[in-house]
Amino acid sequence: DGGITQSPKYLFRKEGQNVTLSCEQNLNHDAMYWYRQDPGQGLRLIYYSQIVNDFQKGDIAEGYSVSREKKESFPLTVTSAQKNPTAFYLCASTRRSTEAFFGQGTRLTVV
Amino acid sequence: GQQLNQSPQSMFIQEGEDVSMNCTSSSIFNTWLWYKQDPGEGPVLLIALYKAGELTSNGRLTAQFGITRKDSFLNISASIPSDVGIYFCAGRYNNNDMRFGAGTRLTVKP
Repeated sequence: DGGITQSPKYLFRKEGQNVTLSCEQNLNHDAMYWYRQDPGQGLRLIYYSQIVNDFQKGDIAEGYSVSREKKESFPLTVTSAQKNPTAFYLCASTRRSTEAFFGQGTRLTVV
Repeated sequence: GQQLNQSPQSMFIQEGEDVSMNCTSSSIFNTWLWYKQDPGEGPVLLIALYKAGELTSNGRLTAQFGITRKDSFLNISASIPSDVGIYFCAGRYNNNDMRFGAGTRLTVKP
């Protein structure tokens, strides 16, 4: 079945560590997005990519990095520069000008 | 970036009642999307709107793309307990980034 898969579902990070969240889609979608969601809040855009080897910062890109080496994959790295990384992270993908589909999310907790 | 204002922030209704929520923007969009999110899960698409003035239904859900392209509403008729969740609107302009409202948290009392 086609879909978008995020892993892991739960992730624990120690202070000062970098961690990478995986997002893979087999929908042949061009664009991919990363959002952050805090409790009781909406979705804030971190990064998005419209084509391979190209990506743009969203509203809260500081402390995060991404890559888009393959159409199917858009991993997000939460670096040690992100001072408050505990949140629910959502990845989405979409074709041109059509609706976006979301993964199941990754809950990151700093311990 | 473009801002979406979604209201109301939360709603507490009785089972069987109708629900209405809306989103407004300072910028125009080419696409309006409505999603529902259950706790700990990713949002699931409910309705997609692609043309100004478009009115689309999906079962008990009806959504409209405002004629000015700066607003959209979602109605849920005859609410049931499984309608509980957070509803988000989202707007897209061409291939630019997709922006979300802050969400409407719906509680349905049996």
